[in-house]
Amino acid sequence: DIVMTQSPDSLALSLGERATFNCKSSQSVLYSSNNKNYLAWYQQKPGQPPKLLIYWASTRDSGVPDRFSGSGSGTDFTLTISSLQAEDVAVYYCQQYYITPFTFGPGTKVDIK
Amino acid sequence: EVQLVESGGGLVEPGGSLRLSCAASGFTFSNAWMSWVRQAPGKGLEWVGRIKSKTDGGTTDYAAPVKGRFTISRDDSKNTLYLQMNSLKTDDTAVYYCNTDSLSSNYWGQGTLVTVSS
Repeated sequence: DIVMTQSPDSLALSLGERATFNCKSSQSVLYSSNNKNYLAWYQQKPGQPPKLLIYWASTRDSGVPDRFSGSGSGTDFTLTISSLQAEDVAVYYCQQYYITPFTFGPGTKVDIK
Repeated sequence: EVQLVESGGGLVEPGGSLRLSCAASGFTFSNAWMSWVRQAPGKGLEWVGRIKSKTDGGTTDYAAPVKGRFTISRDDSKNTLYLQMNSLKTDDTAVYYCNTDSLSSNYWGQGTLVTVSS
């Protein structure tokens, strides 16, 4: 199975600050035939189901604010929130969908300082 | 409006069985690949398994911890997804979510809690 790791475990930032989360896969999730990274980012707020933010490592899902951006390729990926808002308090998970089982990372918890 | 509504959760003893249902509406269920994801209390997300549409073969894939014990099935005439869980263990205690296995149309239910305890 592909093992996903995330760092940091948690972070607390002030409103308006830039937040950066990292995700690493134990093997490449880049499919060479279409040059796509099979990597998604989810946001989960307390008491709610996860919400898809980013897929193909950098494509924002419909309705996702443009302060969220994804980057990276192969085994190393980053989710960035350009200016942290109060409503962004949540846990952020990366998931690979390159091969089943579609494993999730352990998550990064974001709070407001 | 797309809706996914899970049901069937509850308290069950170790070794017991439970069947979860996920009623879908607002989209063409028969064309959708569907997944189950679970979340133990206070823990992260764990992919359980998925089922493809019948058009695409209707095959299933499972995570190692549930393979051989859990079975995903679907009834397209009822727009319903199922998760049959047998030989339940305390480690299976979690909120179980169904979701559409799709990037462009990714929807989740609110989840149903399964507690395995004596």
